[in-house]
Amino acid sequence: EAGVAQSPRYKIIEKRQSVAFWCNPISGHATLYWYQQILGQGPKLLIQFQNNGVVDDSQLPKDRFSAERLKGVDSTLKIQPAKLEDSAVYLCASSLTFWGSGENIQYFGAGTRLSVL
Amino acid sequence: AQTVTQSQPEMSVQEAETVTLSCTYDTSESDYYLFWYKQPPSRQMILVIRQEAYKQQNATENRFSVNFQKAAKSFSLKISDSQLGDAAMYFCASAGANNLFFGTGTRLTVIP
Repeated sequence: EAGVAQSPRYKIIEKRQSVAFWCNPISGHATLYWYQQILGQGPKLLIQFQNNGVVDDSQLPKDRFSAERLKGVDSTLKIQPAKLEDSAVYLCASSLTFWGSGENIQYFGAGTRLSVL
Repeated sequence: AQTVTQSQPEMSVQEAETVTLSCTYDTSESDYYLFWYKQPPSRQMILVIRQEAYKQQNATENRFSVNFQKAAKSFSLKISDSQLGDAAMYFCASAGANNLFFGTGTRLTVIP
């Protein structure tokens, strides 16, 4: 079974530029998550999708971050414009069902390391 | 709200020895799960072990086991017969009705 795919692996941009990350979850997984992991910290949830609807985006800085999951499969996360403090690893995860079912396990991709100069 | 605290930024262990990583948590949820994830340099978070809070029996997965003390809100990970491949960042996480909350991680070094 293929895992969660993310691209690119690395991205270097200058502040005020825009950037987009792509995620393809495990086939059949209804729920998709984007996390931000700043160096030296644990991952922090940015947004959670159930199929193509947003379940939780309370931690997403909506003035510069946006995300979509068209057709309930692939997802993109965009930052525009980027700031220095956005330098981090962006992890995508997927799970079979909605988290509230209790038995859910999240499977993670390898992430995209973003450096904002 | 949920918080997870890992008080050991770094730990080391001799190959074939046993090491215990500490984790404490706080949650207002009555039903929740606890996890240990491993993050090697490849960055992919890999689930090591999971504990359901309503189960008193400690979870085990081969060389990995937990000591779950619900009253003390403690959830430590024991790695037996440590191997070089166990070297990684280890994150403790809790989950209630919605999403995962992670600690700051413990970097484990395995000494040959």
